Amino acid sequence: AQSVTQLGSHVSVSEGALVLLRCNYSSSVPPYLFWYVQYPNQGLQLLLKYTSAATLVKGINGFEAEFKKSETSFHLTKPSAHMSDAAEYFCAVSDSGGVYGGSQGNLIFGKGTKLSVKP
Amino acid sequence: DAGVTQSPTHLIKTRGQQVTLRCSPKSGHDTVSWYQQALGQGPQFIFQYYEEEERQRGNFPDRFSGHQFPNYSSELNVNALLLGDSALYLCASSLEMGRNYGYTFGSGTRLTVV
Repeated sequence: AQSVTQLGSHVSVSEGALVLLRCNYSSSVPPYLFWYVQYPNQGLQLLLKYTSAATLVKGINGFEAEFKKSETSFHLTKPSAHMSDAAEYFCAVSDSGGVYGGSQGNLIFGKGTKLSVKP
Repeated sequence: DAGVTQSPTHLIKTRGQQVTLRCSPKSGHDTVSWYQQALGQGPQFIFQYYEEEERQRGNFPDRFSGHQFPNYSSELNVNALLLGDSALYLCASSLEMGRNYGYTFGSGTRLTVV
């Protein structure tokens, strides 16, 4: 069964510093992987997704993530943090057959990482 | 183009009562999934509806049921509410034939059980 582990429930960075949010996955097949952001009292917004194309995925708001099969990781990065990046971030894996197709599966989420940005 | 619309935004219910939450999918989407997000946790999959039928279900008791209408909108019903059902309930819509995992989430319904 697929699962996701996010290391660090809370990450704090200074404005302008590198953002690194860690995500490791477990999957029996090459997975589809996602990063979502959630601002207070709001739903989830897709930042980026990996669906077997390029291993370096670029998303919105300057975020990107690299799929590393050997490390079973999909860490999220942003070169320079902005105050508006403060939010909760969720890594998710699809529970379907992933790159081997099959039905459009559901998302299995990690517990989330709350990002704080200090001025 | 309207995204996913959920109603109501907030709800307070008493233990043992029943509740119905509603979701209108993004225009052009035909599949609706429901997730429960407890405080401080990631969302957990409840079930998914496609062509008015429950297609997949997560690890939730039968107290949780749903429905999808011909216009693709959906309802989530929870019977015999427990305190532990207090959570943010998220609806996500997608296009089945797209299969590109283009899920769009609504802002959720915050349910408080007292």
